[in-house]
Parts: sequence; C-alpha cells; structure tokens
Amino acid sequence: GENVEQHPSTLSVQEGDSAVIKCTYSDSASNYFPWYKQELGKRPQLIIDIRSNVGEKKDQRIAVTLNKTAKHFSLHITETQPEDSAVYFCAASSSSGTYKYIFGTGTRLKVLA
Amino acid sequence: DAGITQSPRYKITETGRQVTLMCHQTWSHSYMFWYRQDLGHGLRLIYYSAAADITDKGEVPDGYVVSRSKTENFPLTLESATRSQTSVYFCASRQGHGTDTQYFGPGTRLTVL
Repeated sequence: GENVEQHPSTLSVQEGDSAVIKCTYSDSASNYFPWYKQELGKRPQLIIDIRSNVGEKKDQRIAVTLNKTAKHFSLHITETQPEDSAVYFCAASSSSGTYKYIFGTGTRLKVLA
Repeated sequence: DAGITQSPRYKITETGRQVTLMCHQTWSHSYMFWYRQDLGHGLRLIYYSAAADITDKGEVPDGYVVSRSKTENFPLTLESATRSQTSVYFCASRQGHGTDTQYFGPGTRLTVL
C-alpha cells in the first residue's frame, strides 16, 4: 500500500547549524508534499509545502526539495534556532483516489543552545 | 486555525463507557478526518469523510464510530472505551483535493482508566 518513510526519527543539532529531514514515498501518483511542525502539546501546523511541478521551494530559513524520479523529498532548515525544536512530519498526497494524506512517522528535532 | 475546534479538550473516562469527541469547522470544508497520536506512532488515521453522509475507514477504525449529518460537524464516538484508546485525538479538515492544505484542530487528550 501507500507508504511514506521518514528519517531520521530524532535529530540533534547545534544552534546555528543546518538540519535536514528526508522522506521517501511509494505512490507514484503523489503530487503534493506538505511539511508540518508540531510543538509540544500543540497541533500540527503547516510550515511549507511543494507541488510536483517544482523541484524546490524556499521560505526564509526553510526549504523543501523534491526529486520525483527518486520519489524523495527533503526539508532543510538553515541557521537553526531553539524555537525550531519540535516534531516535524512529512506527508504525501495526490489529486486522485482517496485524497488522504499519507504521513511519515515524524522527526524530533532538538536544537541545542 | 480558529476555524476548526474540538471539544472537550481533555476527557477522563472509565473502561466500558461511551465517549463522543466533537469536531466543528467553520470553513465549509468538504473533507474531515480523525487521527490519533500515540508516542512512537505518529498520526494514524481513524476515519475520514468526503462530504456529509459519506464516511470511510482509515488505518485504525476498530472501536470507533463516526457520523457526518452536517458538513461542519464530524463527531467521533468510542462505543465502549478501552485503555488502549487512551491517546490524543486530532480532527482535521480540508477543502477538497489532495493538493489542498489540511488544517488540524487543537486536539483532545483522552484518558481511559
């Protein structure tokens, strides 16, 4: 069935360093890839997304890259800050079929001051 | 985000009791979803609905019942609560296609004693 694998499950970086989280999806019909940030005790919130017609999207310190051939997409956070500490979820979805998001299992990012 | 609400935010109940978690959205979104989040399991889809009176099972539907008589409401009922249903429950909604942004409610923390 449809599956999204996310790595690593935990990631610790020094403040100011970069963080990269990687996801691989199985459904070749997937054409929308959102990333959610979930702070402790809060709801998941969308931080960035990318559609299959582009290879990269950037929003200030956050960027997402997509390689459709390899069925692989990544979240890049530069100049990390303590407030970036959270759990990050990737997801894949398509504009056909059941329209369900298939979520990755999450990455707990810790930014060390 | 204020457009999707959940009630109650916290609930403690006993094994065998019936519990209903409420979800309400003001955007007239077609799609609504129920997820549970347990430590180490990420977000698991329980049920979803494509429109009023249309519902379908997700990954972990056993022990749960949903209904959707009105577009804006999507209640989740645990007919006979079990300890394994102790979890944080998130409702979410989305306008339509799989490429639309999905918004999460604030969550309900349910404890079954």
